[in-house]
Amino acid sequence: KNEVEQSPQNLTAQEGEFITINCSYSVGISALHWLQQHPGGGIVSLFMLSSGKKKHGRLIATINIQEKHSSLHITASHPRDSAVYICAVLEYGNKLVFGAGTILRVKS
Amino acid sequence: KAGVTQTPRYLIKTRGQQVTLSCSPISGHRSVSWYQQTPGQGLQFLFEYFSETQRNKGNFPGRFSGRQFSNSRSEMNVSTLELGDSALYLCASSSSDGGGETQYFGPGTRLLVL
Repeated sequence: KNEVEQSPQNLTAQEGEFITINCSYSVGISALHWLQQHPGGGIVSLFMLSSGKKKHGRLIATINIQEKHSSLHITASHPRDSAVYICAVLEYGNKLVFGAGTILRVKS
Repeated sequence: KAGVTQTPRYLIKTRGQQVTLSCSPISGHRSVSWYQQTPGQGLQFLFEYFSETQRNKGNFPGRFSGRQFSNSRSEMNVSTLELGDSALYLCASSSSDGGGETQYFGPGTRLLVL
């Protein structure tokens, strides 16, 4: 079993829809990252969470440490949100362990 | 501030050769981590350097090595290249001295081993 599990693996949405991507992990962590990777490879860190909830524009990330679960929400989705979204947990020290990613396609 | 830079961006090598990749972190960042991304395995942690010392290491063979210089620039080396080493190699820097800081990723070096 992978230490970090993401669901769904693939997601197609219509423009304007509310999107949720889930991440569950099985190890002790100091923080959790949500990353966005566009075609071509560039990775952008969207959020780093150790508790609670963070919001940036149309993106919201939540984490439940007791449940070992995090969600990334996108409100009013747009085709430019199409990308791979990756959950990564920061194990104690500075080692990132990655989920397999969720491929999101938003159709206009 | 300038972002994380990696050189070269693309590289083609043949089996058995060795390769050195370079990463320049954001100014002031002392932690540099290296990752390998392949279609089959996804993103995997290679190692992390902090103040010229390897602080963490992933599960890769000894053919993969790295180092960090006093200006925080880092290099990774892969010796005796295998076809399976074809991948996107990413580095990321952070200001962390104890973990838990945001990591900033470079654009990656795409290595093709023939």
